[in-house]
Amino acid sequence: GAGVSQSPSNKVTEKGKDVELRCDPISGHTALYWYRQSLGQGLEFLIYFQGNSAPDKSGLPSDRFSAERTGGSVSTLTIQRTQQEDSAVYLCASSLESYTEAFFGQGTRLTVV
Amino acid sequence: SQQGEEDPQALSIQEGENATMNCSYKTSINNLQWYRQNSGRGLVHLILIRSNEREKHSGRLRVTLDTSKKSSSLLITASRAADTASYFCATDGGPRDTNAGKSTFGDGTTLTVKP
Repeated sequence: GAGVSQSPSNKVTEKGKDVELRCDPISGHTALYWYRQSLGQGLEFLIYFQGNSAPDKSGLPSDRFSAERTGGSVSTLTIQRTQQEDSAVYLCASSLESYTEAFFGQGTRLTVV
Repeated sequence: SQQGEEDPQALSIQEGENATMNCSYKTSINNLQWYRQNSGRGLVHLILIRSNEREKHSGRLRVTLDTSKKSSSLLITASRAADTASYFCATDGGPRDTNAGKSTFGDGTTLTVKP
């Protein structure tokens, strides 16, 4: 596809369950970002992948959060033992390289009940 | 903590008026970008201004950057009802900054343009 694709669009899960969120970046983009946005708030940085460099995980809120980027393309954000405070929209973005325009997916709305 | 802070938090104007939103940041930057978000989902990139630029235009948008004051402004001229959205600034740190390569966002300004 032409844009960043995220799946699922919406996810409702029970507290304590694990969830996986997927992001397909634009082909050829070396940088990939995950952000989290709570209702009415700004974007909270989670993790950043750039090429083959070690990812910048400084924004992950706890060790229940992890992310991988396989083959420099698709990325998966995993949240283990979900909590209600994890409920938010999770946004993925990619850019051709660092310091350039980022293209965002439509996000995954996660609801933990 | 967020690098950029937008001001005001909310702005309501009549169609045809100009809208000005401001962004302040704390540390040195490589560039600053403005994004628009409709309905709380994906963001759309509006304009990027580099740290060595002072002003940039794109259609009805005008962005200024004052690195001495660590601030930027976004001006939307001749606003339309369709401009109703949230607007965010995002800053990319320099290569030796802790925010190097990644954009950090403020909480945004919610703009409402009344027809």
